[in-house]
Amino acid sequence: EVQMVESGGGLVKPGGSLRLSCTGSGFTFNTFAMNWLRQAPGKGLEWISSIGPTSDFYIHYADSLRGRFTISRDDAQNSLYLQMNSLRVEDTAVYYCAAGGVEIWGQGALVTVSS
Amino acid sequence: DIVMTQTPHSSRVTLGQPASFSCRSSQDLLHSGGDTHLTWLHQRPGQPPRPLIYKVSRRFPGVPDRFSGSGAGTDFTLKISRVEAEDVGVYYCMQSTEFPRTFGQGTKVEIK
Repeated sequence: EVQMVESGGGLVKPGGSLRLSCTGSGFTFNTFAMNWLRQAPGKGLEWISSIGPTSDFYIHYADSLRGRFTISRDDAQNSLYLQMNSLRVEDTAVYYCAAGGVEIWGQGALVTVSS
Repeated sequence: DIVMTQTPHSSRVTLGQPASFSCRSSQDLLHSGGDTHLTWLHQRPGQPPRPLIYKVSRRFPGVPDRFSGSGAGTDFTLKISRVEAEDVGVYYCMQSTEFPRTFGQGTKVEIK
């Protein structure tokens, strides 16, 4: 079965850090670009960051998040990561990983930033 | 950044009847590689988005053929030939021609 499984969400205080993980299976992970997106409560979808496959490597971030969020991947582990630092209340959202041209989505991980 | 604008914001549709939704981009989405990277996704409440259409008109595997996409340049349309109850939710268009990737604000679909 083709799937992406996320982990690492939770409650964190403003200014804190959190690392999200996403593991892919059922497809050739290392040939796919990977993406992080998020959806604040009751809001639409927002792209956060993308990382290319080894054959066409690149990293891009949304301007508003560059410097606080870091994307990385470990193809040996079929895993994608998002390190989030200096978290703000407005970062509260469901965070999704998605493979390729967003054709394979994870189930989402809720991140709540609150004191 | 490319701004994606969807209309209408919401739509009440009749079961068995056709429905269509519009998406406009602030710039031509034709990529230098020759493809137009416009994707449609469907999201039901409490679920992750499900991709429906990529490169304007190509259905992802498993997507029913009642869904079709069309358009070029800056104007795109998603059509449902005969609406079914499971089609409720929010439909988003997304451009991946350039970074940052951007989404429309969504069209919320309900059944009459």
